[in-house]
Amino acid sequence: KNQVEQSPQSLIILEGKNCTLQCNYTVSPFSNLRWYKQDTGRGPVSLTIMTFSENTKSNGRYTATLDADTKQSSLHITASQLSDSASYICVVNVTGGGNKLTFGTGTQLKVEL
Amino acid sequence: ETGVTQSPTHLIKTRGQQVTLRCSSQSGHNTVSWYQQALGQGPQFIFQYYREEENGRGNFPPRFSGLQFPNYSSELNVNALELDDSALYLCASSRRGGQEQYFGPGTRLTVT
Repeated sequence: KNQVEQSPQSLIILEGKNCTLQCNYTVSPFSNLRWYKQDTGRGPVSLTIMTFSENTKSNGRYTATLDADTKQSSLHITASQLSDSASYICVVNVTGGGNKLTFGTGTQLKVEL
Repeated sequence: ETGVTQSPTHLIKTRGQQVTLRCSSQSGHNTVSWYQQALGQGPQFIFQYYREEENGRGNFPPRFSGLQFPNYSSELNVNALELDDSALYLCASSRRGGQEQYFGPGTRLTVT
């Protein structure tokens, strides 16, 4: 069982609409939780990083939330654009893991006209 | 662009061969981590190097090995290639203790 699970697996939305991606994790304890955007065949690019004491972090149209009690995080994308089409990956950094990252399998988002 | 570069971009090898992938870290970063990403999956941690020493390893067999050089660039070596080794190999650089890891564009390895 993956320690970081994401839902939905894939999502198609119309340009301009909002969407929310979910992440549930069992990794514990953790030092921070990150959301990455990965275009096909490219390396992941960091969107947000939250420590266990933070419960929200924004980066432009991207807003991440974290509930450390329920071990859930979400990534909300507002006013989606065609360029938002990518895989969005939730990543947990294990405390004392030497910056070893545990990745979810990602949500594949497609934004259409 | 993150400043992390990887070479080659693509590579095709046959089963049983050996391969070396290279990574140049971002300026000022002394830690390099390597990840394997199979198609449709999230990256899996292979190992991390800090100051030329292995500093943590994931669940990969010994035929996956690495090096880090004094300039903090790094190599990933895979011996006795298997079909399942076909994947995107990512390296990420960071400062020791830093929160942020910056990923390179990856090397796409195909084993036939």
